[in-house]
Amino acid sequence: KQEVTQIPAALSVPEGENLVLNCSFTDSAIYNLQWFRQDPGKGLTSLLLIQSSQREQTSGRLNASLDKSSGRSTLYIAASQPGDSATYLCAVIVDKLVFGAGTILRVKS
Amino acid sequence: DVKVTQSSRYLVKRTGEKVFLECVQDMDHENMFWYRQDPGLGLRLIYFSYDVKMKEKGDIPEGYSVSREKKERFSLILESASTNQTSMYLCASSLVGTGESFTFGSGTRLTVV
Repeated sequence: KQEVTQIPAALSVPEGENLVLNCSFTDSAIYNLQWFRQDPGKGLTSLLLIQSSQREQTSGRLNASLDKSSGRSTLYIAASQPGDSATYLCAVIVDKLVFGAGTILRVKS
Repeated sequence: DVKVTQSSRYLVKRTGEKVFLECVQDMDHENMFWYRQDPGLGLRLIYFSYDVKMKEKGDIPEGYSVSREKKERFSLILESASTNQTSMYLCASSLVGTGESFTFGSGTRLTVV
């Protein structure tokens, strides 16, 4: 059974720091991996989709990498801002999404 | 801008009521999903559908049913609401095939009293 783990569970950083969120999965037979952001009480907003044949994807200050063979993905956030404060969820796509528990990020101004 | 719309942001229902949660997408996606999200348990798949009139059980289907009469609409039904179904419910859709990203609605916070 596919399991997805996200480390750390929570992170608090001062504004301007670069930071890395980690995601690992137990079965490398995935199709794709998707990173989401969730604000309190809200739905999920897609940040980046990495297809299994890709190594990374970039969008603005965000960069996500994927290493299928080792079962790992990282989300890199450059020059963090208070508006980045949210929960970040990683999900692997098999025939459906399997989610990690998320990383709660707080960026202090 | 593509959208998945959930009809209610907040709902309060009584124990034993039949509850309908509606989800509509305007992207012509074949696949639609219902998840619930609970603190400490994360997101768990309840039901999904790959086409009109098709439905598949997810990881926690007990106490729920679904309806997909039209491609754009996927309804989650709580046949007899119970307090342990108090949760955030999230609907998602995606194109057929596994190369496509998932789009989520804004969620329905259901409280059963």
